[in-house]
Amino acid sequence: EAQVTQNPRYLITVTGKKLTVTCSQNMNHEYMSWYRQDPGLGLRQIYYSMNVEVTDKGDVPEGYKVSRKEKRNFPLILESPSPNQTSLYFCASSMTPISYNEQFFGPGTRLTVL
Amino acid sequence: AQSVSQHNHHVILSEAASLELGCNYSYGGTVNLFWYVQYPGQHLQLLLKYFSGDPLVKGIKGFEAEFIKSKFSFNLRKPSVQWSDTAEYFCAVKGTSGNTGKLIFGQGTTLQVKP
Repeated sequence: EAQVTQNPRYLITVTGKKLTVTCSQNMNHEYMSWYRQDPGLGLRQIYYSMNVEVTDKGDVPEGYKVSRKEKRNFPLILESPSPNQTSLYFCASSMTPISYNEQFFGPGTRLTVL
Repeated sequence: AQSVSQHNHHVILSEAASLELGCNYSYGGTVNLFWYVQYPGQHLQLLLKYFSGDPLVKGIKGFEAEFIKSKFSFNLRKPSVQWSDTAEYFCAVKGTSGNTGKLIFGQGTTLQVKP
């Protein structure tokens, strides 16, 4: 089944403890992206990747890192999480970034930083 | 600045009522438009999309949307809602030039359908 998977689905952590949220897609998509969803703000892009080893900042990159060593994986790294990073995170992928390629979203990771 | 605005944050309807969710965007160029739905506890799914041609687009589950270029609007409609339509709905735009692939989302509208 074609899908985007994320792990973990739920995570409660404490300020400053490094964490990684994994994202994997099995559709051979070139483009991958991370969004965070906050009430009243919709989804905002954190980072995106056009292809392997090509990543760039979205609208809200502060406090996050990403890497794209393999085409299928695009982990989101929080080196020193803070409470303002408590949010619902979605990974998305599409064949290419151009408009007519539908973006497929993962199931989401609900992160709480205490 | 590029932005998407959804007029209604929370809508409550009875089953069989008609639905219209407003969406306006601000973008200095040609756009492609999308409506996504997020059922409780699930990921976002594409309802419908507009790229070009007929401004009235039909999507899954009986939803449709109309692109009115002069009003920068892309409102979502459904003639008769069902309890299973209870979800959060997001309007999104993507520019067609200098494409970073970024979707710009509205704030979302929570639809609650009462049986």
